[in-house]
Amino acid sequence: EVQLVESGGGLVRPGGCVRLSCAASGFSLSDHYVDWVRQAPRRGLEWVGRIRNKANSFTTEYAAAVQGRFTISSDTSKNSVYLQMNGLKIEDTAVYFCTRNSKYGGSDYYYMDVWGKGTMVTVSS
Amino acid sequence: IQMTQSPSSLSAFVGDRVTITCRASQGITNYLGWYQQKAGKAPKLLIYAISNLQSGVPSRFSGSGSGTDFTLTINSLQAEDFATYYCQQDYEYPVTFGQGTKLEI
Repeated sequence: EVQLVESGGGLVRPGGCVRLSCAASGFSLSDHYVDWVRQAPRRGLEWVGRIRNKANSFTTEYAAAVQGRFTISSDTSKNSVYLQMNGLKIEDTAVYFCTRNSKYGGSDYYYMDVWGKGTMVTVSS
Repeated sequence: IQMTQSPSSLSAFVGDRVTITCRASQGITNYLGWYQQKAGKAPKLLIYAISNLQSGVPSRFSGSGSGTDFTLTINSLQAEDFATYYCQQDYEYPVTFGQGTKLEI
């Protein structure tokens, strides 16, 4: 079964750090782009960042709100992707989802076809 | 790229046909998807590349549009369709979502 499972969330103090994990099963993350998307309480979806696949050297992109504070990485031996979150702010409080992205035909368009259930990060003093 | 959905909320009956629109602040060719999210659950892909139905999604869902204006249509609403719907563009970074449309009974 194709599945993504996030872990690592919890309560963190402002300025603190946490690392979220996204473990894949049923497919190889190396073949796909992976995104992190977050959802603050009672709010909409917000894209956090992306790591490209092995063919694209696992390069990354980030939203302006997290650029310089968050880092996405990949461990192919564990078929997992990570979101390292440093310098956390209260406004980073959200459920964090990882998504598998699949490519549409020969284009550069990637759609989020598999989602994990999410992990909650609460930033509070 | 800003994605603007309308309406923000919508009330309908089982059996109705509903339409949700999404406008991009600039052209995004066909780099558009629609997602459904039920309360307390992860979003689920419904449609990609404007009009392609994701495997396993009922055929009462359909998408259309071009350029900057896109539409999600649900024919013959079922009870399980009451949820929040998001459009999303992947044409340019940062990837952006619409604000969501909450479909209520």
